[in-house]
Amino acid sequence: QITLKESGPTLMKPTQTLTLTCTFSGFSLTNNGVGVGWIRQPPGKALEWLALIAWDDDKRYSPSLRSRVTVAKDTSKNQVVLTMTHMDPLDTATYYCGHYYYPTSGYPPVGLNWGQGMLVTVSS
Amino acid sequence: DIVTTQSPAILSVSPGESATLSCRASQSIASKLAWFQKKPGQSPRLLIYDASTRATGVPARFSGRGFGREFTLTISSLQSEDVAVYYCQQHDNWPLTFGGGTKVEIK
Repeated sequence: QITLKESGPTLMKPTQTLTLTCTFSGFSLTNNGVGVGWIRQPPGKALEWLALIAWDDDKRYSPSLRSRVTVAKDTSKNQVVLTMTHMDPLDTATYYCGHYYYPTSGYPPVGLNWGQGMLVTVSS
Repeated sequence: DIVTTQSPAILSVSPGESATLSCRASQSIASKLAWFQKKPGQSPRLLIYDASTRATGVPARFSGRGFGREFTLTISSLQSEDVAVYYCQQHDNWPLTFGGGTKVEIK
């Protein structure tokens, strides 16, 4: 059974740096064709893809956030960490991490399983 | 970036009837399209990927089709538990991009 869970601060002040940890089980990020990614959903708005790290340490980012976001993995702990700098009230959203699978070599993966999400509020 | 546009924004369907949701990509993405179901307070749920492949455990009443730029998700015989917002997302090229969503309601 695959599970993922997001953890981190729920309340941030503008300009602070957000660090979210995704702790997962049921799969390994050392296995071929696996990735862990992040999406978010601001209140009342659509889903937005943020970033992904693959088993081979390939990292991909949303161009609109590339200068502010990094992802890193710790395979020994089954964790992926998302860091987002210069937080703004517009970054208030529920953040989800997901287990991704590459159904076709050479193409981006699809998100199969998701954590429960956590609401991060940015307010002064 | 590839833009995916969904229509309609809101779809009201009577129980037992079919619901057809549309997604259009700004350029050809072959069959690289996924559909997600999102209910308030719940995680996204992958329904379909590669345009027409159902994810594990997804009921057969959910079906996807399309190729190139035009795609549809059909929910046959709509049930109350299908009330949700549905998002398409292309997985043809980076960055991954979601559509704006279609809210499915019971009429």
